Amino acid sequence: AQSVSQHNHHVILSEAASLELGCNYSYGGTVNLFWYVQYPGQHLQLLLKYFSGDPLVKGIKGFEAEFIKSKFSFNLRKPSVQWSDTAEYFCAVISYGNNRLAFGKGNQVVVIP
Amino acid sequence: DGGITQSPKYLFRKEGQNVTLSCEQNLNHDAMYWYRQDPGQGLRLIYYSQIVNDFQKGDIAEGYSVSREKKESFPLTVTSAQKNPTAFYLCASSIQGNTEAFFGQGTRLTVV
Repeated sequence: AQSVSQHNHHVILSEAASLELGCNYSYGGTVNLFWYVQYPGQHLQLLLKYFSGDPLVKGIKGFEAEFIKSKFSFNLRKPSVQWSDTAEYFCAVISYGNNRLAFGKGNQVVVIP
Repeated sequence: DGGITQSPKYLFRKEGQNVTLSCEQNLNHDAMYWYRQDPGQGLRLIYYSQIVNDFQKGDIAEGYSVSREKKESFPLTVTSAQKNPTAFYLCASSIQGNTEAFFGQGTRLTVV
């Protein structure tokens, strides 16, 4: 079964620091990849997605992610975080074979002003 | 407004009772999903449906049941067989099975 791994479940950093969250998946076939964000008290929102083409994708609020097929990874980055980026971030993968949207365990990110 | 509506937002039930969580979407999406969110566990897939009158078990389907009689509705029943039903439940939908999913606000179920 496909699985999604996210490490460093709790991340604490200061404003203006850079953020990188790792995501690895286990499925070997064709996949679509997503990062979702859940701000405190709000519903899950799509941050960015990768279906095909340029492996470096840009999302909302200055986030970007890079798909590295050989490493089965889709890491999320932001060069300079703000206090408002405090949230939980989830990586998700869906495979063309079974159309099951699988999520990682999430990264709880706290940005200190 | 277009979107996904989950109701109620908070739900309390006594142990041993079945309870049904509602999920309605007016986005004309074919695929719908149910997830359970627990602290530190991420989102775990309970059931998903690619089309009306068809659905598949996810990773933690035991103790749950669903139906998909209408395109816009995908109710989830938490049965008394579910050993640890207290959780936050999220419903989602997508245009097709392999595109991005849109989420509802969730239902927090507490079983006492």
